[in-house]
Parts: sequence; structure tokens; C-alpha cells
Amino acid sequence: QKEVEQNSGPLSVPEGAIASLNCTYSDRGSQSFFWYRQYSGKSPELIMSIYSNGDKEDGRFTAQLNKASQYVSLLIRDSQPSDSATYLCAVEGGSQGNLIFGKGTKLSVKP
Amino acid sequence: EADIYQTPRYLVIGTGKKITLECSQTMGHDKMYWYQQDPGMELHLIHYSYGVNSTEKGDLSSESTVSRIRTEHFPLTLESARPSHTSQYLCASSEDLSRSGAQYFGPGTRLLVL
Repeated sequence: QKEVEQNSGPLSVPEGAIASLNCTYSDRGSQSFFWYRQYSGKSPELIMSIYSNGDKEDGRFTAQLNKASQYVSLLIRDSQPSDSATYLCAVEGGSQGNLIFGKGTKLSVKP
Repeated sequence: EADIYQTPRYLVIGTGKKITLECSQTMGHDKMYWYQQDPGMELHLIHYSYGVNSTEKGDLSSESTVSRIRTEHFPLTLESARPSHTSQYLCASSEDLSRSGAQYFGPGTRLLVL
């Protein structure tokens, strides 16, 4: 069964630090990778997509993809208390190309 | 970014009642999904659709049913609600049939069955 694994956390970082979130996946054929942010009681919000090996930067967020090692990561620079949320990794690989979501990593940014 | 709407946002209902959760999107996306998520827990795909007249069951067995008569509309129905159906239901859509495009989520419906 295709899987997406994330450390459930909580990951606690001080304000201003870099938060590093990691995700591994089992399907070598996966081509599309996404990071979602989910605040407590809210729905997931897409923050990054990445399709090619390497880094992709968007503001304070950087997604990193290494298909050979089957991992994707998200770096959040200058972390803010407002970044405190659960971060979901999603990978193409479900039936009919659907996304497989990880269980999420809970991030807490302390002022 | 997709505009996805779900109604109602909150619903408290008694056991045995029939309910329909509404989901609409205005972006013309072909693919739509329903997920179930309990507080602090992972997402579970319960239904999806590739387009009009297409519906498929997801990874999590569900007693609900769905229909897709119009591209923009993907309602979910529970014929007889039970307390075990208490959860948050999230609707999502994506535009790309040829690859796994990003999914965009609606605000969700919180269902409480008494």
C-alpha cells in the first residue's frame, strides 16, 4: 500500500527560527508533491507544490524534493507564531492519481 | 485558486434523519472529492468524481452516497444519520485530469449526530 509518512510532532521552534518539516513516500512513480497548512478547526490550505528535484522558494517557504531518496521537505524561515498549525504532505499515488495525504506534523512557534 | 463552497457549515441533527451536505465550486474543475476528518486526525477520502455522472468510492468505507449531475455541484447524502457519522466533512476540487493537480478545499461541514 502506498504511504506518506510524517513525524507527527509536535515540532516546537522559537520565533524567528527555521522550521524544517519532512515527509517520505513509498511510491517511486509519484510526480506531484504538495504541502498544505491546516489551522485547528479549519480546512487544509495549499501553500506549496513541487514537481521537480531541487528547491522551490515562495516567500518564507522553501520546498525541497529528492525523488531518488523519496523525500520532500518544507522549510519555513523566520517562523512566526501565526505559522503554528499542522502541515500536511500530499503525494500523487492514490488510485486513479489521487493524492495520498500524510497524517501531518504539528508545528508550534513560541514567541 | 478555486472557490469552493460548502453548506451548511455546522449541522446538529438527530439519529435516523436524512441529510445532504452541499458542495459547489465555481472554477469549472472536473475532479471533486469528499474527505472525512475527525479532530486532530488524518484525512480520509470517502468519495471522488472525475466529472459529470462519474462517482467512485474512496479509501474509507462510508455509508454516504454522492452524485455528480453538474460539474460544479457534488452533494453528499446520508440516508440515516448515526452518532458514528459525527465528524468534519471536507469537499475539495482539482482541475487537472492528466496528472495529480493540487486540490483546493472548501471550509468544511461540522456534523454532530445526537
